[in-house]
Amino acid sequence: NFMLTQPHSVSESPGKTVTISCTRSSGSIASNFVQWYQQRPGSSPTTVIYEDNQRPSGVPDRFSGSIDSSSNSASLTISGLKTEDEADYYCHSYDSSNQVFGGGTKLTVL
Amino acid sequence: EVQLLESGGGLVQPGGSLRLSCAASGFIFSSYGMNWVRQAPGKGLEWVSVITASGGTTYYADSVKGRFTVSRDNSKNTLYLQMNSLRAEDTALYYCAKGLRNSLAVPDYWGQGTLVTVSS
Repeated sequence: NFMLTQPHSVSESPGKTVTISCTRSSGSIASNFVQWYQQRPGSSPTTVIYEDNQRPSGVPDRFSGSIDSSSNSASLTISGLKTEDEADYYCHSYDSSNQVFGGGTKLTVL
Repeated sequence: EVQLLESGGGLVQPGGSLRLSCAASGFIFSSYGMNWVRQAPGKGLEWVSVITASGGTTYYADSVKGRFTVSRDNSKNTLYLQMNSLRAEDTALYYCAKGLRNSLAVPDYWGQGTLVTVSS
């Protein structure tokens, strides 16, 4: 089984841009789609990115996803940060029989 | 509108059993794979199990394999998780999550969760 490693926390000011990384321990990051979920305190997770870089309807285009095969990692970038973006963010991927979440990154917008 | 309503959580002693249910509405339930994902208090998300749209194929996390069984009743639009031989480390909020599509059952929409507490 593989693991997905995320930074424990990141912080940035309103209006700025932040990038959260997610590194896959084994197997190619490009082999299986990566998803990103946002979880605000006391709420259920919601999808902000699916299939590496696709945004569900209703998710602002300030959110974008990408993968980098050279570092075997995925990234979630949030531009024009708003205080409402403060939340935990989880990356997710899978293989033939297993699904894996990253440990989560706490985003603080201060 | 997709709605997922979990139920069946509660307090159970170590070694005990519990059956969770997830009532689905707002989409064609029989066309989507479904997941169970859990979150221990103050911790991150942990995938538990997935079942294909037909119910013919299931997969489990190593931490629950042999103890948990996922099933579904497409006539009732309901997903189940039978949990046996429960341990303290199974204490968590259990979410059901709709798959993105039949061929890719990664979580898409999530319910509000039902809390399972394993303690004597």
